[in-house]
Formats: sequence, structure tokens, C-alpha cells
Amino acid sequence: DADVTQTPRNRITKTGKRIMLECSQTKGHDRMYWYRQDPGLGLRLIYYSFDVKDINKGEISDGYSVSRQAQAKFSLSLESAIPNQTALYFCATSDPDRQETQYFGPGTRLLVL
Amino acid sequence: AQSVTQPDIHITVSEGASLELRCNYSYGATPYLFWYVQSPGQGLQLLLKYFSGDTLVQGIKGFEAEFKRSQSSFNLRKPSVHWSDAAEYFCAVGAGYSTLTFGKGTMLLVSP
Repeated sequence: DADVTQTPRNRITKTGKRIMLECSQTKGHDRMYWYRQDPGLGLRLIYYSFDVKDINKGEISDGYSVSRQAQAKFSLSLESAIPNQTALYFCATSDPDRQETQYFGPGTRLLVL
Repeated sequence: AQSVTQPDIHITVSEGASLELRCNYSYGATPYLFWYVQSPGQGLQLLLKYFSGDTLVQGIKGFEAEFKRSQSSFNLRKPSVHWSDAAEYFCAVGAGYSTLTFGKGTMLLVSP
């Protein structure tokens, strides 16, 4: 079984809709991250959480929100989706005892029409 | 703030030839450095990492990278490329108890 899972794997939605992307991990890590990947731009950090009570904005948090429901679960919401949020979204976890090595989920491909 | 530059957007290498992907970083102290690979339609997989000690690090799939502090570089190398190595490669920099910063990636194409 995968250590970091993301649901859904693919999603098509319309402008203005609210959607949630979910991430679960079985690695027991406290730290979790949400990134988006766009061609030619690499990975950009949206939000991160160092434990259940700690949520931090990343480089590009506008238009997004997150919820850390438990150590193992970290959800990303788009309150009102817009077309330029079409991207590949990755969840990751990290272990501070392993030099912050990050472990990635398989990604969610989102298309906003 | 830390930053990473991968100067090459695309690189084409013949199968069996050697490979070097460049990565330059900016960070005030000794960084943690990583190389990840993303195969088409897949997530990111860790190839190797450097945090201290021997500046030449070995990774999976026959890859290695060398940390050169004087040049602020962490270039990835492989002596003989296989067609299955075609993918996008990302360099990343971090420090203890902080987030990682990723480069924009280098797409490797392998020609027969």
C-alpha cells in the first residue's frame, strides 16, 4: 500500500465551484505539505503544517485553504475555483529526523473549466 | 531565503552516453540538498540527498551527485543513460526544520 495517498486522482470542475482535495499518510510524519506543479514553474508550496495545530501559508496560498483533521490527514480546498488553478497538485510528508526528506503522493490532476 | 536554479530546461542525451544535470543553490549556511525524479504521470521519487559528510553521494538507479560548496552546486550525474531514465528531474534545497525550495526542473530526453 502507498504511504501517501491522494483523492481524487483526477477532477474536472467548473469555475466558481468549491472542491476539496484530500491527502492521507501512513508514514506517521507530523509534517505535511501541499504543492502545485505547472509546466516550466516546478513545484510551488501552497500550505504546510508542522503538526495538527500548526498551519502555515506557503508561496502561493491565495485562493486556497487547508484543514489538518488529524496527523494523517491534510486537505486542500479551493473555495471558488478559477481556470488558472488548473494544475497538478501534490501532497507530501517529511521526517525531520531524516533531514526533511519529503515523500510525495501520486498527485491530483485538476482541470477548472 | 533559499533558492535553486536549474539552468537547463531540456537536455537530450543518447542512450548509453553520460549525463550531467546542473543545479545551483543559494543559501547562507550548509544546506540539505536533494534530487527528485518525476516519470510521466507519476509523483516525485527521491533519487539522493546530501546533508553532511562525503560530498559525493550515491543514489538509486545508478545516479550520483557531488556537493561543491565553492561553486554552490549539486550536479547530478550518471555514467550511462538508459531509455527508462527519460523523466523530469528536480533539485531542491532546504535546511533543518524548514521547507524545501524546488528548482523548475530539467526534462531529460533520451535518444536511441
